[in-house]
Amino acid sequence: EVQLLESGGGLVQPGGSLRLSCVASGFTFGSYAMSWVRQAPGKGLEWVSSISDRGGSRYYADSVKGRFTISRDNSKKTLYLQMSSLRAEDTAVYYCAKGRRFFAPWGQGTLVTVSS
Amino acid sequence: DIQMTQSPSSLSASVGDRVTITCQASQDISNYINWYQQKPGKAPELLIYDASNLEFGVPARFSGSGSGTVFTFTISSLRPEDVATYYCQQYDNVPPKATFGGGTKVEIK
Repeated sequence: EVQLLESGGGLVQPGGSLRLSCVASGFTFGSYAMSWVRQAPGKGLEWVSSISDRGGSRYYADSVKGRFTISRDNSKKTLYLQMSSLRAEDTAVYYCAKGRRFFAPWGQGTLVTVSS
Repeated sequence: DIQMTQSPSSLSASVGDRVTITCQASQDISNYINWYQQKPGKAPELLIYDASNLEFGVPARFSGSGSGTVFTFTISSLRPEDVATYYCQQYDNVPPKATFGGGTKVEIK
């Protein structure tokens, strides 16, 4: 069974940093692109970032470009999202998902709250 | 950037009704559209990919159609467990990015 388990969310002050992790199991992690998608409280889905299978290509939404960095460690079957210069509008549940063209499956999400 | 306009934003229908949701793209996206179901408090799940392909394990009452700029998602016979918010999502290659529609909340009348 394919599983994705995110961690690393929490409360952070505006301007602060946080690193999210997503541990994968049940599939050959290093053979698939991976992505992060977020959902602000009560709002819709927003694609954040994607990374190719070997990590050589990375893509970002304009809203996070220059502040967030996606990376992966295929030996650890883990996807990361390093977030810096966080703003209130970054408050959301962050999901990792397998794939880049379409997303399946998704993890259960981790909540990031940016507030003073 | 490609915009996805999803309608309606919400609907209420009876069990057994046929339900249709539409997504319109601001430019031709071929068949690069996917559909997701998100139940309250849960992560989204992929139902349809590439406009009309049913994801493995998804009931056949769900279907998708369209190409170019107008796409339709249909539940042929609404069931109580289908109460959820449904999202379309397009994929763009240049530059590589994804855009979601605003969502359609489906409730039982």
